[in-house]
Amino acid sequence: QLQMQESGPGLVKPSETLSLTCTVSGGSLISSSNFWGWVRQPPGKGPEWIGSILYSGSTYYNPSLKSRVTISVDTSKNQFSLKLSSVTAADTAVFFCARSTPIAVALFDFWGLGTLVTVSS
Amino acid sequence: DIVMTQSPDSLAVSLGERATINCKSSPSILYSSNNKNYLAWYQQKPGQPPKLLIHWASTRESGVPDRFSGSGSGTDFTLTISSLQAEDVAVYYCQQYYGTPYTFGQGTKLEIK
Repeated sequence: QLQMQESGPGLVKPSETLSLTCTVSGGSLISSSNFWGWVRQPPGKGPEWIGSILYSGSTYYNPSLKSRVTISVDTSKNQFSLKLSSVTAADTAVFFCARSTPIAVALFDFWGLGTLVTVSS
Repeated sequence: DIVMTQSPDSLAVSLGERATINCKSSPSILYSSNNKNYLAWYQQKPGQPPKLLIHWASTRESGVPDRFSGSGSGTDFTLTISSLQAEDVAVYYCQQYYGTPYTFGQGTKLEIK
């Protein structure tokens, strides 16, 4: 059974870079069919797609975040990562990593449990 | 961006009764070349990630009870729970995967009356 686990600091200072890693177990990132993505959800609000990556490194980003976001993949560790630079309090959210089905870039059928990242000094 | 708007924002339904949640996209998310609507529905319970219920507007995921059904085309979509169970209390989101950025509705909170 596929499992996904987010890890990283729960507190980030304003203007710094948020860094999270998603570790995938029970399956391989090396799939020509699946994109792997990041979604965030501010407290009490709906989800927001951040971006998706293929094992080859091909990426799609939300244009509203593109200037600040980098998603990368490490197939040797079966992990993919998110970096979000120049964070502000508006970036406070639960961050989820997720797997997309083979039919789309962002149609997520498996999710991690999520990790809360708070931006505060 | 494609805007997804759900209605109502919250809904209270008696156990065993029908619950209906609406989702409108602007513009259309019907792809003419394959006649498919790029619309998904998710269920999210407190403290959990969203769970994919339906894609292509009406195709249920494996293991999803058949009391959940999706319908609609173009810009107007509906999620129907035919007979509400206690475990269906959750927030429901629609999402379009037609084009980037892939966007979600604001959510509909479903409660027991």
